[in-house]
Amino acid sequence: QSVLTQPPSASGTPGQWVTISCSGSGSNIGSEKVNWYQQLPGKAPTLLIYINDQRPSGVPDRFSGSKFGTSASLAISGLQSEDEADYYCAAWDDSLKGYVFGTGTKVTVL
Amino acid sequence: QVTLRESGPALVKPTQTLTLTCTFSGFSLSTSGMCVSWIRQPPGKALEWLARIDWDDDKYYSTTLKTRLTISKDTPKNQVVLTMTNMDPADTATYYCARTHRVRNGGHSDYWGQGTLVTVSS
Repeated sequence: QSVLTQPPSASGTPGQWVTISCSGSGSNIGSEKVNWYQQLPGKAPTLLIYINDQRPSGVPDRFSGSKFGTSASLAISGLQSEDEADYYCAAWDDSLKGYVFGTGTKVTVL
Repeated sequence: QVTLRESGPALVKPTQTLTLTCTFSGFSLSTSGMCVSWIRQPPGKALEWLARIDWDDDKYYSTTLKTRLTISKDTPKNQVVLTMTNMDPADTATYYCARTHRVRNGGHSDYWGQGTLVTVSS
């Protein structure tokens, strides 16, 4: 069972703003950096956001990340059909001395 | 160009030991801050982190699977090997290896292999 909690689903129409929350604790999000991964259907995950709010080269600027206390959020502004995927937050957990992934959020473009 | 590829058996029997190899190119595990992680995903379920090995040979394991996992590296061969003992049908999953940059205690995985599906069945 994951220690990072995400809503199971989120949806929006093309062009809308969608946010995904990731709730953790002081031993993970509260003290370590948060990363976000996108997993398109049938594909391996790809890095979407790292160190809380940094975008790797090639990731559109409509994706943004933020962190506040023991929670983090991923925002997608101007939702596009190709954004339909599963999204996972992740962080190191100092108590577990291991990496933890969130429960995952399926984003549907209506 | 960074690439990673997982290899190993597609089918293992319950109680057997699984050995997976991650063969990579485009980076070296002797570079400071460089790591390789293993992650798995049961069909239709979420990602689960398994283990990580760092450039300095530090190793980290999932708390729940620690007694069953061993990770090792062969730096000249650009390979990382993961073994998991006492396999169970619940271990059926796609297993990924990924290049990881260490940041503080954690890090982020910027390149992933395509994954290899391992089925545990008698």
